[in-house]
Amino acid sequence: EIVMTQSPATLSVSPGERATLSCRASQSVSSNLAWYQQKPGQAPRLLIYGASTRATGIPARFSGSGSGTEFTLTISSLQSEDFAVYYCQQYNNWPGYTFGQGTKLEIK
Amino acid sequence: EVQLVESGGGLVQPGGSLRLSCAASGFTFSSYDMHWVRQATGKGLEWVSAIGTAGDPYYPGSVKGRFTISRENAKNSLYLQMNSLRAGDTAVYYCARGIDTNGVCYFDYWGQGTLVTVSS
Repeated sequence: EIVMTQSPATLSVSPGERATLSCRASQSVSSNLAWYQQKPGQAPRLLIYGASTRATGIPARFSGSGSGTEFTLTISSLQSEDFAVYYCQQYNNWPGYTFGQGTKLEIK
Repeated sequence: EVQLVESGGGLVQPGGSLRLSCAASGFTFSSYDMHWVRQATGKGLEWVSAIGTAGDPYYPGSVKGRFTISRENAKNSLYLQMNSLRAGDTAVYYCARGIDTNGVCYFDYWGQGTLVTVSS
């Protein structure tokens, strides 16, 4: 099983500032990496797939980068609606998709 | 508009069974791989099962032999039959649509989930 490790567990950032979230895979997943946003009581929402491609309707302030084992999600200027939990997911190892444990992005 | 609506969750005793359903609309259901993903309260996400467009099922080791995924394309419906349930199966269960990219999938649409509680 590929283990996905996200850091930090909690990130405190002020609105308008930049947030950088990290995700590391225990072995290479190529660019088969997705990011999801989840707000309390809601289902996850796809943000990024293919490590760097924004999903339909996702604002340009969200960007993804990386390949292999190291990935980053950057939110360039935080809006109030961006405070949520973010999960990375590898979909390179089939069958056996795995998620990170999540990073909670909270208001500083 | 793509919609996925789960149902069938509830309280069940350890060792019991439950069948979840997911009603799909707004897209050609038969053309997509479909998945179940679960989330224990306050915890992360765990992929539970998948079914291909040809009806081929896939499971992780944690549920293999206990869970059965199926689909009924004529009814635009996805199912998850869960047997021999354990306390560790307690979670919100989401159905999700898979987008195939060279044989592997990410999930572009998710339902709102249905809660399964396994407790005596």
